[in-house]
Amino acid sequence: AQTVTQSQPEMSVQEAETVTLSCTYDTSESNYYLFWYKQPPSRQMILVIRQEAYKQQNATENRFSVNFQKAAKSFSLKISDSQLGDTAMYFCAFIAGGATNKLIFGTGTLLAVQP
Amino acid sequence: NAGVTQTPKFRVLKTGQSMTLLCAQDMNHEYMYWYRQDPGMGLRLIHYSVGEGTTAKGEVPDGYNVSRLKKQNFLLGLESAAPSQTSVYFCASSQRTGGATGTQYFGPGTRLLVL
Repeated sequence: AQTVTQSQPEMSVQEAETVTLSCTYDTSESNYYLFWYKQPPSRQMILVIRQEAYKQQNATENRFSVNFQKAAKSFSLKISDSQLGDTAMYFCAFIAGGATNKLIFGTGTLLAVQP
Repeated sequence: NAGVTQTPKFRVLKTGQSMTLLCAQDMNHEYMYWYRQDPGMGLRLIHYSVGEGTTAKGEVPDGYNVSRLKKQNFLLGLESAAPSQTSVYFCASSQRTGGATGTQYFGPGTRLLVL
């Protein structure tokens, strides 16, 4: 079975500091795609960053970067210079590809950025 | 571009009533999805469609039906609502599988309360 595990239900960070959110996944596929989505209080699901499994280089989007460890099946999200607007639920998600493109989500990590 | 839109934003139903949730996308995406989000859980796939006129079951399809008569629209129906269907419903769309084109873009969600 393909699963995504986020072991940190809640986290807190001070404004301007760095925080890392953890995610592990399980799959027997060799080609897949990993995503981090952000869900602020508005409930809108916003794509933060994505990573193709065949790429060794870690993806980066401004203050957001990932640490992708394929052998360990780990995909953590690092947020640098945290801002109040980063307060949200963060979901790790995974697509194994194939004909359906079905996303499998973790249970989420609620991040609170403190002033 | 409006992206992915959902109608209505909020609805209250009585047990046994029926309703239809509408999802529309203007990105010419082939694939469309319906998810539900419950407290403490990530999003779970209800039904999906890989093209106009085609639909398939996801992880939690019971109690729901869908139709994709037009490429840009994906309807989710509840024939006889139950309190267990109280949830937030998200629609998403994507191009075909793989890489950046497989990224799913989400609507703003519909909050449904079944009494």
